[in-house]
Amino acid sequence: EVQLVESGGGLIQPGGSLRLSCAASGFTVSGNYMNWVRQAPGKGLEWVSIIYSGGNTYYADSVKGRFTISRDNSKNTLYLQMNSLRAEDTAVYYCARVRSGNGNYFDYWGQGTLVTVSS
Amino acid sequence: EIVMTQSPATLSVSPGERATLSCRASQSVSSNLAWYQQKPGQAPRLLISGASTRATGIPARFSGSGSGTEFTLTISSLQSEDFAVYYCQQYNQWPTFGQGTKVDIK
Repeated sequence: EVQLVESGGGLIQPGGSLRLSCAASGFTVSGNYMNWVRQAPGKGLEWVSIIYSGGNTYYADSVKGRFTISRDNSKNTLYLQMNSLRAEDTAVYYCARVRSGNGNYFDYWGQGTLVTVSS
Repeated sequence: EIVMTQSPATLSVSPGERATLSCRASQSVSSNLAWYQQKPGQAPRLLISGASTRATGIPARFSGSGSGTEFTLTISSLQSEDFAVYYCQQYNQWPTFGQGTKVDIK
């Protein structure tokens, strides 16, 4: 069974850093395209970042230069390092899988972890 | 960036009735269009990919149609568990989502 479990969210001051984790089971993160998607409170969905099976990474303009996506194949875990956090980064962060070879639609999602950026 | 626009923002429907949700892209996305369902406090769930292909386990009352810039999600006979927010997403370029359509009980 495919499962994604995020952790690492919390309350952080503006300018601070946080690292989110997403533990995967039932498939390998290295063999698929793994993503972070966020949802601000009461708002819609925003794609944040992707790491391809080959290791290439891409980011939304809103987080480029501040966020870094990575993975640990031995732990089958996806990460999102978030630096220079702003109030507008407040959101539930979901990890989501794009099955390798498919188009970039998300077939499995984690339950999400809430990041609140506030002083 | 491709902008996705969904209409209406809210759709009030009685159980057993048909619901028709629309999604428009600011430029052609071919058939690279997905639909998701999200209930309060839950993650989105994939319903449709490729504009019209139901995901595994999705009931046949959900159907998608369209190509290019105009897309439709139809729920043929609304069940109680279908009241939720629905998002479209294009993946012809970097993914972007519509703002959502809330389907609530009339």
